Amino acid sequence: AQSVTQPDIHITVSEGASLELRCNYSYGATPYLFWYVQSPGQGLQLLLKYFSGDTLVQGIKGFEAEFKRSQSSFNLRKPSVHWSDAAEYFCAVGAEGNKLVFGAGTILRVKS
Amino acid sequence: DTGVSQNPRHKITKRGQNVTFRCDPISEHNRLYWYRQTLGQGPEFLTYFQNEAQLEKSRLLSDRFSAERPKGSFSTLEIQRTEQGDSAMYLCASSPPPGLAGGHYNEQFFGPGTRLTVL
Repeated sequence: AQSVTQPDIHITVSEGASLELRCNYSYGATPYLFWYVQSPGQGLQLLLKYFSGDTLVQGIKGFEAEFKRSQSSFNLRKPSVHWSDAAEYFCAVGAEGNKLVFGAGTILRVKS
Repeated sequence: DTGVSQNPRHKITKRGQNVTFRCDPISEHNRLYWYRQTLGQGPEFLTYFQNEAQLEKSRLLSDRFSAERPKGSFSTLEIQRTEQGDSAMYLCASSPPPGLAGGHYNEQFFGPGTRLTVL
């Protein structure tokens, strides 16, 4: 069965510092991979997606992610974090029936 | 494109009552999904529709949960005889068919959710 692991429950970074959020997935075939962001009490907004092709994908708000098949990873990065990036981030893999299987999320705190 | 909408945004009910939530997907999206999210967890898939057909419902949490999409447009999720453990955020998402402007069923667009509190 498909699964997603986000090892870090919380991460705190200083404003202007770089960010990397980790995501590992388990899936037998070529995965479809996603990162979503959720602000408190809100729904999920799609940041970026990987279906095929270039393993470095660009998303909205200056985020990027790199698919590494050998490591079963799809880590999210941003070179310079802004206070408005504070939120919860979810990694997801597309599973049978096109449903999404999500990780438990990583809460990002940004300190000034 | 007004996005996925969900109503109500918040629902407080007493244990044992029935509740119904509505989801309006993005127009021309023929797939609609329901997820449940509990505190500190990622969303968990419940069920999905393609047009009016419910293609998978095995993940609905119990027979107290049911969903409909009678005309292939909006959908409702009903919980009968609510329990305190049903307290959660219920999220709806929709996705476009592959033939629609590069659409992909896995690319799901989420609504703001309905927060259910069962007292």
